[in-house]
Amino acid sequence: AQKITQTQPGMFVQEKEAVTLDCTYDTSDQSYGLFWYKQPSSGEMIFLIYQGSYDEQNATEGRYSLNFQKARKSANLVISASQLGDSAMYFCGANSGGSNYKLTFGKGTLLTVNP
Amino acid sequence: DVKVTQSSRYLVKRTGEKVFLECVQDMDHENMFWYRQDPGLGLRLIYFSYDVKMKEKGDIPEGYSVSREKKERFSLILESASTNQTSMYLCASSLPEPWLYTDTQYFGPGTRLTVL
Repeated sequence: AQKITQTQPGMFVQEKEAVTLDCTYDTSDQSYGLFWYKQPSSGEMIFLIYQGSYDEQNATEGRYSLNFQKARKSANLVISASQLGDSAMYFCGANSGGSNYKLTFGKGTLLTVNP
Repeated sequence: DVKVTQSSRYLVKRTGEKVFLECVQDMDHENMFWYRQDPGLGLRLIYFSYDVKMKEKGDIPEGYSVSREKKERFSLILESASTNQTSMYLCASSLPEPWLYTDTQYFGPGTRLTVL
């Protein structure tokens, strides 16, 4: 079973600066996927970025990149050039191969971008 | 774009009522999921379905049931609502990828349910 740990309940960043949100995972599976979602105050979960366990390069999507360190079992989200609209809850999640499609989430990090 | 819709954004029910939460997706996804989200606990999986009429229990199925009669629609049922089921409920869907671990789940806007 997966276990996801997000150790930062809240983070603050100045507008236009970069910020790293931490995520570690615990799995014995060889094949797994790592995901980050953003949840604004309106409530919807927005998919941001995906990293597969066999991907050698870190995933990037626009201002989002995933710093994947397999040996450390970490999958940190880096947001570059923060914007006020980035203020939201961020959830790290993971799933694994097999018949169980379940996505396990961490408890989230609340990011506040200050002007 | 994937579109997942939920029947209500806000819902207020009384203890003991039967409650139906509806979720519809328009992308022909095989997989559908129901989560509940509570402060400090993150998202927890209630049930998921990988095909019509097929379902599997998630981490917290007690007090809930589900129905999937059509591929695009997945319903969560609270047979007798209780105050501890006051929560945010999120529906998601995904298209199974050749490698199962690459499934990306797409979420609806959520339903904030209050049980009085």
